[in-house]
Amino acid sequence: KAGVTQTPRYLIKTRGQQVTLSCSPISGHRSVSWYQQTPGQGLQFLFEYFSETQRNKGNFPGRFSGRQFSNSRSEMNVSTLELGDSALYLCASSLVAGTDTQYFGPGTRLTVL
Amino acid sequence: KQEVTQIPAALSVPEGENLVLNCSFTDSAIYNLQWFRQDPGKGLTSLLLIQSSQREQTSGRLNASLDKSSGRSTLYIAASQPGDSATYLCAVSDSNYQLIWGAGTKLIIKP
Repeated sequence: KAGVTQTPRYLIKTRGQQVTLSCSPISGHRSVSWYQQTPGQGLQFLFEYFSETQRNKGNFPGRFSGRQFSNSRSEMNVSTLELGDSALYLCASSLVAGTDTQYFGPGTRLTVL
Repeated sequence: KQEVTQIPAALSVPEGENLVLNCSFTDSAIYNLQWFRQDPGKGLTSLLLIQSSQREQTSGRLNASLDKSSGRSTLYIAASQPGDSATYLCAVSDSNYQLIWGAGTKLIIKP
């Protein structure tokens, strides 16, 4: 069974630009969660989608948004990039987030210059 | 607000030793607790998941325990190997099914 895939793996953007990251969950998984990982703040929850609906959202500004498609693939978008958005963005899939094991992708390393 | 703490932040031990990593949380109203490992520059690998009704889980050389009442979990690694070197993170699932993370313990096993 293929694991969670994330594209692109690396991304360099400049301040003010926007970016879209993609996550394909394990086949059959309907929940996708997104996390931001930085050296200073550690891992922080961004949001979680289940069957195309956002069920939970972390404490991030509205510049961070996401969506999930009918095939459970998910995208997250960050608009008006700031230097502080530089981070490793991880997505995880599970059958039912929070009550089931979450399987993580390799992450997308975003660098904002 | 749930807070998760991992002690120690870093640990270096010789190969072959048994070791314990600690995780504590402030709110006992959790659904489960998970232990992950992260290798440098890579994503996370789930090691063990303990449901709130369980006391421990075992997988190979790994054993994780959970004491909800005291807000503590331990990850026991038996007969450590250099390949166990990684950062170990614990996370608790709160009432909104969000994972709240500890900062991790960086483990180095010396050959």
